Amino acid sequence: NAGVTQTPKFQVLKTGQSMTLQCAQDMNHEYMSWYRQDPGMGLRLIHYSVGAGITDQGEVPNGYNVSRSTTEDFPLRLLSAAPSQTSVYFCASSFISPGSSSYEQYFGPGTRLTVT
Amino acid sequence: SQKIEQNSEALNIQEGKTATLTCNYTNYSPAYLQWYRQDPGRGPVFLLLIRENEKEKRKERLKVTFDTTLKQSLFHITASQPADSATYLCACFSSGSARQLTFGSGTQLTVLP
Repeated sequence: NAGVTQTPKFQVLKTGQSMTLQCAQDMNHEYMSWYRQDPGMGLRLIHYSVGAGITDQGEVPNGYNVSRSTTEDFPLRLLSAAPSQTSVYFCASSFISPGSSSYEQYFGPGTRLTVT
Repeated sequence: SQKIEQNSEALNIQEGKTATLTCNYTNYSPAYLQWYRQDPGRGPVFLLLIRENEKEKRKERLKVTFDTTLKQSLFHITASQPADSATYLCACFSSGSARQLTFGSGTQLTVLP
């Protein structure tokens, strides 16, 4: 199993540009989520999904869109990049079925995004 | 608003000693609390989960306690080693919203040889 994969690893954008951060998992997890991590702020939830076709907002959703057309993929779209979106972005996945006792989140390696 | 605080940004301890990290929560009644380890340039890795009706959970050299009266969890690493040096994150979620984890900002632990 590859686990959770994210592409790209690094990205530099100019203000106003748009892009999509890719996330894929091969563990058949129902739950997928996107976080951003900033110094001193911890991980903050952007959007999450509990299954294909179902998405919801987290703590900091503004400026980001998501969709979940398959169980495996959960892309994050930046509509019009701003310097405030400079951050490290992590995708995570987990089971949420009753048989899962730990709700262990599996994280990807992260995407380091700089917006100039 | 719900808040998770890890009250030490950095902790240095000597090899062989027990490291104790603290996680406090406010405006919150989490049903579950998790601890993660994060190494520089990598995503967090799950270590342990403890439920609100559990006082203590152990895994090898790791021990987690959960005090719902104090609204606090303590994370202990016994016989610490330099390889334990990392940032440790606590995260909580409620039983009604297992989909929304709230993370603390982490404690950077350095174990000195």
